[in-house]
Amino acid sequence: NAGVTQTPKFRVLKTGQSMTLLCAQDMNHEYMYWYRQDPGMGLRLIHYSVGEGTTAKGEVPDGYNVSRLKKQNFLLGLESAAPSQTSVYFCASSSIAGGAKNIQYFGAGTRLSVL
Amino acid sequence: AQSVTQLDSQVPVFEEAPVELRCNYSSSVSVYLFWYVQYPNQGLQLLLKYLSGSTLVKGINGFEAEFNKSQTSFHLRKPSVHISDTAEYFCAVRFSGAGSYQLTFGKGTKLSVIP
Repeated sequence: NAGVTQTPKFRVLKTGQSMTLLCAQDMNHEYMYWYRQDPGMGLRLIHYSVGEGTTAKGEVPDGYNVSRLKKQNFLLGLESAAPSQTSVYFCASSSIAGGAKNIQYFGAGTRLSVL
Repeated sequence: AQSVTQLDSQVPVFEEAPVELRCNYSSSVSVYLFWYVQYPNQGLQLLLKYLSGSTLVKGINGFEAEFNKSQTSFHLRKPSVHISDTAEYFCAVRFSGAGSYQLTFGKGTKLSVIP
């Protein structure tokens, strides 16, 4: 059972470089999410998607872009990385079922350092 | 909008002692409540959830939580902790209305179990 898989697990970037984080889920979930985790801040929602081809901004979207070309994949892009984007990034997915059945499942995270 | 407050950022406790991690939420509407656990260098794992029914919810690894609507709390408890319980614990809330899927997280509580 793979669940939610994130690649890469670790990455070091220089300021101004770009990169893409990949999230893949094999649970046929409609909803997918990108969070960032910073010490003492908990998890904050960056962007999310309610279905293939649709994306929306979360709490902290600036400096990031996302795409959902395939239902199972959700990509997070940094066009010009900044030190403030040093963080641990988590992807999650949940089913389309509303109410109690909508439980989010998380990947193992990507640890990103921007120098 | 809902918010979550985890009252303690760090909780040290001796092995085999009981522990309570506190969580309070604010919301003008009905919510679902969750506790996630994050072991060192790992992703988030669902520990337990309150959706409806009995206010005492049992989760994995011997943890339980009690939903108190009048006090808007959802405290996590374990009668006897083990070294392996050392982790960060996150309380989260989601609006219970149809179509709701976004989680709001607290800032986390780091539980350190002392041998």
